[in-house]
Amino acid sequence: NAGVTQTPKFQVLKTGQSMTLQCAQDMNHEYMSWYRQDPGMGLRLIHYSVGAGITDQGEVPNGYNVSRSTTEDFPLRLLSAAPSQTSVYFCASSRVPANEKLFFGSGTQLSVL
Amino acid sequence: DAKTTQPPSMDCAEGRAANLPCNHSTISGNEYVYWYRQIHSQGPQYIIHGLKNNETNEMASLIITEDRKSSTLILPHATLRDTAVYYCIVRVVLTGGGNKLTFGTGTQLKVEL
Repeated sequence: NAGVTQTPKFQVLKTGQSMTLQCAQDMNHEYMSWYRQDPGMGLRLIHYSVGAGITDQGEVPNGYNVSRSTTEDFPLRLLSAAPSQTSVYFCASSRVPANEKLFFGSGTQLSVL
Repeated sequence: DAKTTQPPSMDCAEGRAANLPCNHSTISGNEYVYWYRQIHSQGPQYIIHGLKNNETNEMASLIITEDRKSSTLILPHATLRDTAVYYCIVRVVLTGGGNKLTFGTGTQLKVEL
């Protein structure tokens, strides 16, 4: 059972480039979310989804897009990367209702030059 | 969102109990307290959660005060592998049933020989 899988593990982009961070889970979880973690700070919620076809914004959504076409996948798109988006990105999933624990992926370390 | 306050760092001798405190004085009556930990730069790992009663699982115990304004995570026999950043979080239920876990900066627990 793989759990939550994130790819790639590392990525370097130039300012203005676009890319998609992939997240997949094999636990049939309805809820999926993206967090970013900056040095010395906790995790901040970017976007989340409570099921296929449903997404919503978290605390820091600007500069990121998401979609949820299947239960398993929840990609995060950076349309025009900026140095301020240099961070470690974590995807997490859980069952609904909301008192279920979150399972996190191993993270994607992104550097934008 | 209810704010949590934790000491930035703590040390513990291997084999001894580690008691990690957390203040959440603005917690609402239906908000759960969650504990996660993050080892190095891995994805956070769920430890335990509770509402008002004390909870115990295979990893830890959670003691919540009667007024729910503070809690303590207890690792009964800390090992070197328990060295990590421990996050105390008050969960906010999002519209539609998802979780918003606001991670602060946590407590860096160092377990030493």
